[in-house]
Amino acid sequence: EVQLVESGGGLVKPGGSLRLSCAASGFTYINAWMAWVRQAPGKGLEWVGQIKSKSDGGTTDYAAPVKGRFIISRDDSRNTLYLQMNSLKIEDTAVYYCTRNDPVFDYWGQGTLVTVSS
Amino acid sequence: QLVLTQSPSASASLGASVKLTCTLTSGRSTSAIAWHQQQPEKGPRYLMKVNSDGSHDKGDGIPDRFSGSSSGAERYLIISSLQSEDEADYYCHAWGPGIRVFGGGTKLTVL
Repeated sequence: EVQLVESGGGLVKPGGSLRLSCAASGFTYINAWMAWVRQAPGKGLEWVGQIKSKSDGGTTDYAAPVKGRFIISRDDSRNTLYLQMNSLKIEDTAVYYCTRNDPVFDYWGQGTLVTVSS
Repeated sequence: QLVLTQSPSASASLGASVKLTCTLTSGRSTSAIAWHQQQPEKGPRYLMKVNSDGSHDKGDGIPDRFSGSSSGAERYLIISSLQSEDEADYYCHAWGPGIRVFGGGTKLTVL
């Protein structure tokens, strides 16, 4: 059974940093492209960014609102995906989901809430 | 530019059928898309991939009541024999080199 479990969300002040994790199991993680998607309260889904498998170069792409502030990385030895969020803004408040990006987003985690507020 | 357009809302009666539409940007009529369902207070769930020829590949455990089709730049999600648990938000999603895009979502109300 495929499982994606996010953690690390919480309350952070504007300008602060937070690191989210996503533990993956039930599939060959090392070969998978992965992505982060967020959903602000009452809003739709928004793609945050993605990371390719190392065999495909391991490169990352980001949506314009987060480019230069967020960093996606992966630890294939731990089957874990990360999202390092820096210089957080109030508008980054959202539930953050990790998803397998093959590229149809066929499996999703349950999400972790990030609240940016003073 | 990759843009997906969805109607904000739709409604249909219990037991009836409904067809939700996702329209691709002009020039992207050969692109596949994926449909996702998000029930109230839950995370998204992958439903299916719909190709430009109308063929579709469903996710694990998705009932036969859900199907997909295509016409030109439009991609459809058809739900038949509507049930109360089908009341949800439905998002289409497309991809290209270095980018992933979601439509704005359609809120489906089952009457």
